[in-house]
Amino acid sequence: ETGVTQSPTHLIKTRGQQVTLRCSSQSGHNTVSWYQQALGQGPQFIFQYYREEENGRGNFPPRFSGLQFPNYSSELNVNALELDDSALYLCASTPRQGPSDTQYFGPGTRLTVL
Amino acid sequence: RKEVEQDPGPFNVPEGATVAFNCTYSNSASQSFFWYRQDCRKEPKLLMSVYSSGNEDGRFTAQLNRASQYISLLIRDSKLSDSATYLCVVTQNSGYALNFGKGTSLLVTP
Repeated sequence: ETGVTQSPTHLIKTRGQQVTLRCSSQSGHNTVSWYQQALGQGPQFIFQYYREEENGRGNFPPRFSGLQFPNYSSELNVNALELDDSALYLCASTPRQGPSDTQYFGPGTRLTVL
Repeated sequence: RKEVEQDPGPFNVPEGATVAFNCTYSNSASQSFFWYRQDCRKEPKLLMSVYSSGNEDGRFTAQLNRASQYISLLIRDSKLSDSATYLCVVTQNSGYALNFGKGTSLLVTP
């Protein structure tokens, strides 16, 4: 087990609503990244947080935002949901020590937008 | 053009077969390379890193050709439990965004 947890596991929302997804990583994992995986596609990088600040962003609009907290937990917020936001949302954390490329994924939150 | 491209698949092979997956990447500044495995409706899990010298882990062998910007994964003596989607992953900067290919589906049959 990676020690990375996500909640909720499944979520159903309607267009225009807002959603908050949560991730909790292990102690010592000070970098967290979020990915979106649409059906039949590979995960796409949304953004990364390091020491509670955004450290890089993929090609996602500003309605995708995030937070990282001192206790190594993180949130992904999506406003004004669209049908195409339906996907598996994965968070991944990186340990402070060890190979810095190693990212440990949580089980994901499956979001359905109706 | 997508940054990481993989064989479209799916690959259906019998138990005991050898199967090879290929992947190309477009960014010559890429620094690190990986193969991840993803089971149905589960999270991706690191299978192995890929080095220029090539590396082997049991039945799995990965190769990297930087000049051709090409990565491969060879699975020997396929097991039923190898059935999964294999994702080719490239990253430009250490610890930063992972760029995933679309994935290649493998089904190993009895």
